[in-house]
Amino acid sequence: EIVLTQSPATLSLSPGERATLSCRASQSVSSYLAWYQQKPGQAPRLLIYDTSNRATDVPARFSGSGSGTDFTLTISSLDPEDFAVYYCQQRGSWPLFGPGTKVDIK
Amino acid sequence: EVQLVQSGAEVKKSGESLKISCKGSGYSFTSYWIGWVRQMPGKGLEWMGIIYPGDSDTRYSPSFQGQVTISADKSISTAYLHWSSLKASDTAMYYCARTMCSTMYCPDDYWGQGTLVTVSS
Repeated sequence: EIVLTQSPATLSLSPGERATLSCRASQSVSSYLAWYQQKPGQAPRLLIYDTSNRATDVPARFSGSGSGTDFTLTISSLDPEDFAVYYCQQRGSWPLFGPGTKVDIK
Repeated sequence: EVQLVQSGAEVKKSGESLKISCKGSGYSFTSYWIGWVRQMPGKGLEWMGIIYPGDSDTRYSPSFQGQVTISADKSISTAYLHWSSLKASDTAMYYCARTMCSTMYCPDDYWGQGTLVTVSS
């Protein structure tokens, strides 16, 4: 069974700073890795799919990279609306979410 | 415009049954998988299971197999999540979500607004 680990659990940054979020899988998930953003009281929103493809209307400051077991979501310059929880998800045998990384305001 | 509209919040007692719904519009309902995701209070997202309304092919996460039933009525473009006997631990927000392509391995590009289920003991 695949397990996803996200780090750090919480990332405290200021607007304008760069955010780097990590997602590690216990075994290879190929490129079938997605990232979602969830703000309080809202449904999740798809940001990145297949490791590095931005979903519709997602700003270019969001980018994804990685392969196999190690993946990264980068937000190049944090906008005030980007403070949220971010989940990675693998879509292999059973869709599975990681535990999430909360990006909060420093 | 693609939309998934879920039924309203529910307050139930342990042991009661419940079926919540997710109505799709703005796309071919029978051509995309619809999944269900649980979010317990203050916790992360848990994928529960998924259905293909075109032929009712249904898959469950091992963690939820036997605990819930997923179904769909393609004539009214609606998917359902059903409990036969609720437990207090079923208290959570439940989201439905549509896959962005025709296989269950595609990520979810449209989400419902969520249905809050509260179960008292």
